[in-house]
Amino acid sequence: AQSVTQLGSHVSVSEGALVLLRCNYSSSVPPYLFWYVQYPNQGLQLLLKYTSAATLVKGINGFEAEFKKSETSFHLTKPSAHMSDAAEYFCAVSATTSGTYKYIFGTGTRLKVLA
Amino acid sequence: ETGVTQSPTHLIKTRGQQVTLRCSSQSGHNTVSWYQQALGQGPQFIFQYYREEENGRGNFPPRFSGLQFPNYSSELNVNALELDDSALYLCASSKGGTKQETQYFGPGTRLLVL
Repeated sequence: AQSVTQLGSHVSVSEGALVLLRCNYSSSVPPYLFWYVQYPNQGLQLLLKYTSAATLVKGINGFEAEFKKSETSFHLTKPSAHMSDAAEYFCAVSATTSGTYKYIFGTGTRLKVLA
Repeated sequence: ETGVTQSPTHLIKTRGQQVTLRCSSQSGHNTVSWYQQALGQGPQFIFQYYREEENGRGNFPPRFSGLQFPNYSSELNVNALELDDSALYLCASSKGGTKQETQYFGPGTRLLVL
């Protein structure tokens, strides 16, 4: 079965500091991995996705993630945090059950940016 | 290009009632997936519709049902509402039901069951 684990339900960083949000996956087949952001009282917005084309994936708003097969990780980073980055971030894997592809989400990491 | 839209944005129901939530998929998309996001949790897959047929279901009871229409819009129906059904319901559309297709999410409908 495929799954993702997000380490750290809450992360706080100072404005201008590095953002690192952790995601580890479990998959018996090459995974398709996604990061989504959710601002308060809103739906999910796609930040970036990994589809095996390149291990370093660049997304919107200056975010990027690196796929590391040896570590089964897909951590999200941003060199310099901005106040507007405060939100909840979800890692997801595209998983199949009887031919249906669905997303399996992690429990989320709430990012707080301190002035 | 119009994104995924959902209606209503919020609603309040009492236990035992029935509710219908609606989703309009993004232009060119023929697949709609529904997710339930309880407070403080990640979204959980309810079911998926592909070309008007149910194409897979998560671990939700039969009182959760759905429809997809010829224009690929979709409805989620929940009968005999329970308090635990209180959640944000998210609809996502994609071009197909394959592994590599990105799902684009709507803003959600927040349901409160009293």
